[in-house]
Amino acid sequence: SAVISQKPSRDICQRGTSLTIQCQVDSQVTMMFWYRQQPGQSLTLIATANQGSEATYESGFVIDKFPISRPNLTFSTLTVSNMSPEDSSIYLCSVEPRGGYEQYFGPGTRLTVT
Amino acid sequence: RKEVEQDPGPFNVPEGATVAFNCTYSNSASQSFFWYRQDCRKEPKLLMSVYSSGNEDGRFTAQLNRASQYISLLIRDSKLSDSATYLCVVNEGGSYIPTFGRGTSLIVHP
Repeated sequence: SAVISQKPSRDICQRGTSLTIQCQVDSQVTMMFWYRQQPGQSLTLIATANQGSEATYESGFVIDKFPISRPNLTFSTLTVSNMSPEDSSIYLCSVEPRGGYEQYFGPGTRLTVT
Repeated sequence: RKEVEQDPGPFNVPEGATVAFNCTYSNSASQSFFWYRQDCRKEPKLLMSVYSSGNEDGRFTAQLNRASQYISLLIRDSKLSDSATYLCVVNEGGSYIPTFGRGTSLIVHP
């Protein structure tokens, strides 16, 4: 398994601003994922962030809006840029220590944009 | 990406009841299957993997039916603490990216 922490746990931001979410893992992992979960909905994958390569974004998500860094095997950041109320959601990072198998999630960042 | 379908529920059952959830997947090349549990305002946590031969963990039994492309989760002797959303997750063959179902909500009442 893996232990994952996220910062901040929650934030309230004004529209037009940006927020960077940090994800820290207690072990080295190749594959990290960023998800969004809106109230009452399932998880939507934003992007896959593998160390040493550019993040791969899913349809509907672009790097300008959600830039991701992955400087090493234990850390990643997701920035939500130029926020609007529609970005209000829970953002979760996850890791897949064994590729193609189970994932472990961070506790999430609850973002509210006013 | 291919679809993973779940009945959203909610399933409202009394304590001690047996309840079963199904999840269908559309990609016949899918290789890995999981059930996750998500409590309200918490992150998803792995409940159990689903193997071809089926697997059991205490009151929980997961089964895979490749021919009909569905997986199931059976919960026996339901507890109040089983109340949560249960997410079905499928990994396509050759892909490390999972597909999550929308989740099935379970409410166990006294």
